[in-house]
Amino acid sequence: DTGVSQNPRHKITKRGQNVTFRCDPISEHNRLYWYRQTLGQGPEFLTYFQNEAQLEKSRLLSDRFSAERPKGSFSTLEIQRTEQGDSAMYLCASSLPSLNEQFFGPGTRLTVL
Amino acid sequence: EDKVVQSPLSLVVHEGDTVTLNCSYEVTNFRSLLWYKQEKKAPTFLFMLTSSGIEKKSGRLSSILDKKELFSILNITATQTGDSAVYLCARTTSGTYKYIFGTGTRLKVLA
Repeated sequence: DTGVSQNPRHKITKRGQNVTFRCDPISEHNRLYWYRQTLGQGPEFLTYFQNEAQLEKSRLLSDRFSAERPKGSFSTLEIQRTEQGDSAMYLCASSLPSLNEQFFGPGTRLTVL
Repeated sequence: EDKVVQSPLSLVVHEGDTVTLNCSYEVTNFRSLLWYKQEKKAPTFLFMLTSSGIEKKSGRLSSILDKKELFSILNITATQTGDSAVYLCARTTSGTYKYIFGTGTRLKVLA
């Protein structure tokens, strides 16, 4: 499968625990985005990478959230000290530099109990 | 932050009907507008629009952008039950890498 992949697909955790999600973009895509989506809402931008550089982060993003893309390929999103309000679908998308079309992964659904 | 407003929020039609979905946006440093279809999974790309008045078409779906009135429409003709989904629009802005999404229009097509 040559699409964007995300792992795990589902994560249930207790409040206060740390969680880490992984995104593998389409191999030739150097742009990578993380979004959060809650029920009835559109995806909310979290952060953007161009190759390994994190070029933009949402001002609304708590400092409990951190993302990396160490070799410009896969990316991880970590949430520390999870809260119930972090429960959402976390989507990753990638794109080529010359196009605005984003390809989304299937998402990781996080439930914080 | 630049807002994207979609209407209606939801819509129920019968197979064969034609629907028009609306997306309005604020003008600030506009670069492009995109439409996505989201079923019970991740959004899939439909169209990207940058120029006013040029219709993009794919089968029964078409879309157009009006940069003067700051809106776009997505038309679906001869709707089918498989068109049932949430339709999202998003804008991009010069000087930022963000995509700002609207809340979507939930379309249900009845057989």
